[in-house]
Order: sequence, then C-alpha cells, then structure tokens
Amino acid sequence: GENVEQHPSTLSVQEGDSAVIKCTYSDSASNYFPWYKQELGKRPQLIIDIRSNVGEKKDQRIAVTLNKTAKHFSLHITETQPEDSAVYFCAASQLIFGQGTELSVKP
Amino acid sequence: DAGVTQSPTHLIKTRGQQVTLRCSPISGHKSVSWYQQVLGQGPQFIFQYYEKEERGRGNFPDRFSARQFPNYSSELNVNALLLGDSALYLCASSFREETQYFGPGTRLLVL
Repeated sequence: GENVEQHPSTLSVQEGDSAVIKCTYSDSASNYFPWYKQELGKRPQLIIDIRSNVGEKKDQRIAVTLNKTAKHFSLHITETQPEDSAVYFCAASQLIFGQGTELSVKP
Repeated sequence: DAGVTQSPTHLIKTRGQQVTLRCSPISGHKSVSWYQQVLGQGPQFIFQYYEKEERGRGNFPDRFSARQFPNYSSELNVNALLLGDSALYLCASSFREETQYFGPGTRLLVL
C-alpha cells in the first residue's frame, strides 16, 4: 500500500524567512497530493493541492512542487508570519497522510 | 452553506464498551472517509465510502466498522474499546475522490 514520509518533524523559522517541508511517497500510481494545515484543537484545513499532471502550483505565499520521477513533493511558504505557526500534513492518494511538521514562526 | 458535521464532540467510555460516531457530509458530497488521529501524529485512514459502498479500508482491526446511509451520512462503530482507541476521530467528505473537507472531529477517551 501507499506510504508517505514527511520531513522535518519540527521546523522553527524567523518571521519573514521561508519554510520548506518535504514528503516522499511510495505508490507511483498516486496522482493527487494535498497539503493541510492544522491549528491546535482544530480540524485539518486544505491549503493547497497538486495533481500529477502539474509540476508546480502557487497560491500567494504558498507553493507546492511535485517530482513524479523521484516520488517526492514539497511545500514552500515564503515571507512566513506568526499566524503560519501550526502543524502541516502532506497526503498522497487523498487518504494516506504524512506524520506532520510542526512549524513555529518566531516574531 | 453547512460544512461537515460530527456528533458527539466529546465522548468518554470505559474499556470493553462500544461506541458509535456520526458524520453528516457537505450537501452534494457522496464520499465520506473516516480517520483516527492520535495526539502528535497524522490522521490514519480507517474507511472510505462512496455512494454507500465501501471503497477502501485502512489497517484497523475488525472491531472497527462503518456504513453510509442513503442520505450519504455515515456512522463509525468501534466495539470492545481499548485504551489505545482514545483519539480524535475525523470524518471528511468530498464530491468525488479528491478534495476533502474535514469535520471538527469527535474526541474519544477510553478509561
């Protein structure tokens, strides 16, 4: 079955810096890769997603890149703000989630 | 426009008991998925239903079961509860097998 590995598990950056979170997946048939943000005590919320026929997608300060050959995809957050602090999850094939990255943005 | 709703929000049970969790999807969504999220970990896939048929099952014991009703709402049942079943149970709905929207979850504590 599908397996997703996510790194790093924790990430601390200064406000205004960029943050990058990386995921690898095992099933080459996977074709949908969403990213979720989960604040403490709240539900996961979709922030961006990418399909396998696209290499990169951007939405304001957030971008996702996909390398199908290497079976990895990454989340890039530029100009980080304190409100970006949360746990971020990647997923493959909609249903299989990574272990999460706790992002802390220090003012 | 109502989002995904789940009930109850919190639940306390003792070992060996049974529990039923409920989920109502976004109007028009025909797919419902269930996840277990233990503190500090990512959501673990339990079941997916589409048009009342089971489309996928994660690596959970047979104590876990689910069903989807004609109105696309869903129930997750867990029998013979163990301490390790304590977790946040999330339901998510989608129109098809892509973008999912999560409910607020049911927090289950097994004592």
